[in-house]
Amino acid sequence: ETGVTQTPRHLVMGMTNKKSLKCEQHLGHNAMYWYKQSAKKPLELMFVYNFKEQTENNSVPSRFSPECPNSSHLFLHLHTLQPEDSALYLCASSRDAYSNQPQHFGDGTRLSIL
Amino acid sequence: QQQVKQSPQSLIVQKGGISIINCAYENTAFDYFPWYQQFPGKGPALLIAIRPDVSEKKEGRFTISFNKSAKQFSLHIMDSQPGDSATYFCAARDAAYNQGGKLIFGQGTELSVKP
Repeated sequence: ETGVTQTPRHLVMGMTNKKSLKCEQHLGHNAMYWYKQSAKKPLELMFVYNFKEQTENNSVPSRFSPECPNSSHLFLHLHTLQPEDSALYLCASSRDAYSNQPQHFGDGTRLSIL
Repeated sequence: QQQVKQSPQSLIVQKGGISIINCAYENTAFDYFPWYQQFPGKGPALLIAIRPDVSEKKEGRFTISFNKSAKQFSLHIMDSQPGDSATYFCAARDAAYNQGGKLIFGQGTELSVKP
């Protein structure tokens, strides 16, 4: 148990569907992150929220829309995705985004686009 | 500038042997170098980390060696065990304020320890 819970664990969706990924952390952290993990590639940072404010949007297509209603919850809203978006999406949290505190990861949502 | 290059991509080691994974970087603004371990079906978990003012850090069987002048750091796993079989990622934190403490990850190394 890492203290970071992601749901669902697996998601299959068509290219025209709309779905959301959810992340919740129970560690009292103030920074939350979305990463994309594709096979044989480095983890790609997508978004960073620090104290509920988005501080990083790493050139992510607009078909991915993050939402951070409070420091404990993070969502990734998905719409009209492409087959190349199939990947493992990881959420992480840390005490804050600017200090050298470790990031704690959830176990990810495995997303498959049909 | 933002890359962290990790090698090898895959590694097979006999039980009891030493596993060595290497990473190299260019950006001198990196100020924190963690290693993550990831098992299948799980998210990455922090294994050990080092700052550039230290040349070596050891925690149990895991040691990070850091060479600031060469911009290289490596993970050594002593007495490797089958339970160490996992994917290992090195990372580096960009300390530049406008980078928001971004972690840059290497490509990962799949370690298999044979019994």
